[in-house]
Amino acid sequence: DAKTTQPPSMDCAEGRAANLPCNHSTISGNEYVYWYRQIHSQGPQYIIHGLKNNETNEMASLIITEDRKSSTLILPHATLRDTAVYYCIVRGAYSGAGSYQLTFGKGTKLSVIP
Amino acid sequence: GAGVSQSPSNKVTEKGKDVELRCDPISGHTALYWYRQRLGQGLEFLIYFQGNSAPDKSGLPSDRFSAERTGESVSTLTIQRTQQEDSAVYLCASSLQGQGHYIQYFGAGTRLSVL
Repeated sequence: DAKTTQPPSMDCAEGRAANLPCNHSTISGNEYVYWYRQIHSQGPQYIIHGLKNNETNEMASLIITEDRKSSTLILPHATLRDTAVYYCIVRGAYSGAGSYQLTFGKGTKLSVIP
Repeated sequence: GAGVSQSPSNKVTEKGKDVELRCDPISGHTALYWYRQRLGQGLEFLIYFQGNSAPDKSGLPSDRFSAERTGESVSTLTIQRTQQEDSAVYLCASSLQGQGHYIQYFGAGTRLSVL
């Protein structure tokens, strides 16, 4: 699976959009980008994923560049409850064999400031 | 709620005692994972169950650790003769099959403290 690189920390003013970047320059054609977050003292939470098209759900939007070497997670109106560590991971297509455990890197610690 | 449920939420035990942690996955999720997270650290994979297939136990750190799952329902993680280095949050996650494997839903975890 491709390696990902994220900034260690970011601040965002409450109510503003939070844009969290992720670099995955070695991603291959059948690998998906997934985003999770972990709020302090809670289990990780799935946010969104995509292959090559931009995606939006009730939590966030995911913008993937045309060359797929990077992506940005957008929280459109950040609240204090969005303060968490955000993880970008790249995983291949399901192959029918093996297990599918998640491995998180260091992630980006997002602090939403009142 | 319909989320992953873990119990107990906190467990304090003495070194050398056995502990049993429980996970109730989301109904219909055939895949179940156990992870360990030490303070300030990342997720450490322990074991994976998929339906009636043989579990992937490759992440279990020692033979003091074991886990069971009955069909596609409840799972228990047992740690025998606990040691202080076992202190951590133990997280359970469940998912659907196929590409859904990577969309895992986590419980709140069991915080284990070994004195």
